[in-house]
Amino acid sequence: NAGVTQTPKFQVLKTGQSMTLQCAQDMNHEYMSWYRQDPGMGLRLIHYSVGAGITDQGEVPNGYNVSRSTTEDFPLRLLSAAPSQTSVYFCASREGFWNTEAFFGQGTRLTVV
Amino acid sequence: DQQVKQNSPSLSVQEGRISILNCDYTNSMFDYFLWYKKYPAEGPTFLISISSIKDKNEDGRFTVFLNKSAKHLSLHIVPSQPGDSAVYFCAASLPLSTGKLIFGQGTTLQVKP
Repeated sequence: NAGVTQTPKFQVLKTGQSMTLQCAQDMNHEYMSWYRQDPGMGLRLIHYSVGAGITDQGEVPNGYNVSRSTTEDFPLRLLSAAPSQTSVYFCASREGFWNTEAFFGQGTRLTVV
Repeated sequence: DQQVKQNSPSLSVQEGRISILNCDYTNSMFDYFLWYKKYPAEGPTFLISISSIKDKNEDGRFTVFLNKSAKHLSLHIVPSQPGDSAVYFCAASLPLSTGKLIFGQGTTLQVKP
């Protein structure tokens, strides 16, 4: 059981480039989300989805797009990378939006130069 | 506006002693609280949780206490072990309608042998 899988693990982008961070889960969880971790800031919610076809913004959505065409996949798109988007990105899934824990992927370390 | 705050960036304790990690929140609508542990280069992993209808939850060496009137929760680790050295995040969840997890900034725990 793989859980939550994120690819790539590391990425270096030039300012202005676009890319997609992939996230897949095999637990049939309805709820998926993307966080970024920055020093002293904890984990901040970027976007989340409560099911296929439904997405919503979190605390820091600017510069990012998401879509949820299947239950398993929740890609995060950087439209035009900026140095401020240098961070570690985590994808998480949760069985539902009732009282359950979230499972996290291993993270993607992104550097924008 | 930080709704979940961990005011101590770091904590150092001796092996075998008690570690107490603290977390404060501002939104009285939070109804579920979780603690996560994170090792370097890994994703956060779920540790323990507590519902707002309880004031204590215990799992082995880990106990979480919730004081709703003070909007404060704490994680006790007894006895502390060197393998507990990690970053600890507290998180809070709003009721059924949103399901978002809001995280604190994290506290780095170092357990010295």
